[in-house]
Amino acid sequence: KAGVTQTPRYLIKTRGQQVTLSCSPISGHRSVSWYQQTPGQGLQFLFEYFSETQRNKGNFPGRFSGRQFSNSRSEMNVSTLELGDSALYLCASSQPGQGKVGELFFGEGSRLTVL
Amino acid sequence: AQTVTQSQPEMSVQEAETVTLSCTYDTSESDYYLFWYKQPPSRQMILVIRQEAYKQQNATENRFSVNFQKAAKSFSLKISDSQLGDAAMYFCAYRSAFRNGGSQGNLIFGKGTKLSVKP
Repeated sequence: KAGVTQTPRYLIKTRGQQVTLSCSPISGHRSVSWYQQTPGQGLQFLFEYFSETQRNKGNFPGRFSGRQFSNSRSEMNVSTLELGDSALYLCASSQPGQGKVGELFFGEGSRLTVL
Repeated sequence: AQTVTQSQPEMSVQEAETVTLSCTYDTSESDYYLFWYKQPPSRQMILVIRQEAYKQQNATENRFSVNFQKAAKSFSLKISDSQLGDAAMYFCAYRSAFRNGGSQGNLIFGKGTKLSVKP
């Protein structure tokens, strides 16, 4: 079974631009969550989607948004990029009722650098 | 709001020895889950071990075990017979047992402990 796939793996943007990151969950997983990882703040929850609906949202500004498609693939978008948005963005998938409760399967992340 | 604290930014252990990573958390909830996740240098995080708060028995997974002290809100990870492949960042995480409409993914992570294993 293929794991969680995130694209692109690396990208460089400049301040003010926008970026879209993609995440394909493990087949059969309908829950996709996103995390931002930085050296200073650690891992912070962005949002979670389940069956195309946002279930939970972290404490991030409205510039951060996401969506989920009918095939469970998810995208997150960051508009008007700031230097502080430089981070590793991790996607994780899971499926309620399968495996251990709360076990998330992570992708390798998308490394965003904002110049 | 719940918080998770890992007080050891870095730890080192000799191969084949035992090491304990510390984690404390703060919550007013009585039912929750605690996790240890491992993030090797390749960055893909994987679940190491999980503890359900209502279970008194400490979880064990092969060489990994936890010491769960609910009253003290402490959740340490013990790695026995350390191997070179254990070198990684280890994150302690908390999740409420209450599920908002099937929510699974809202974990609260500590800042992590970087574990080095010396040959």
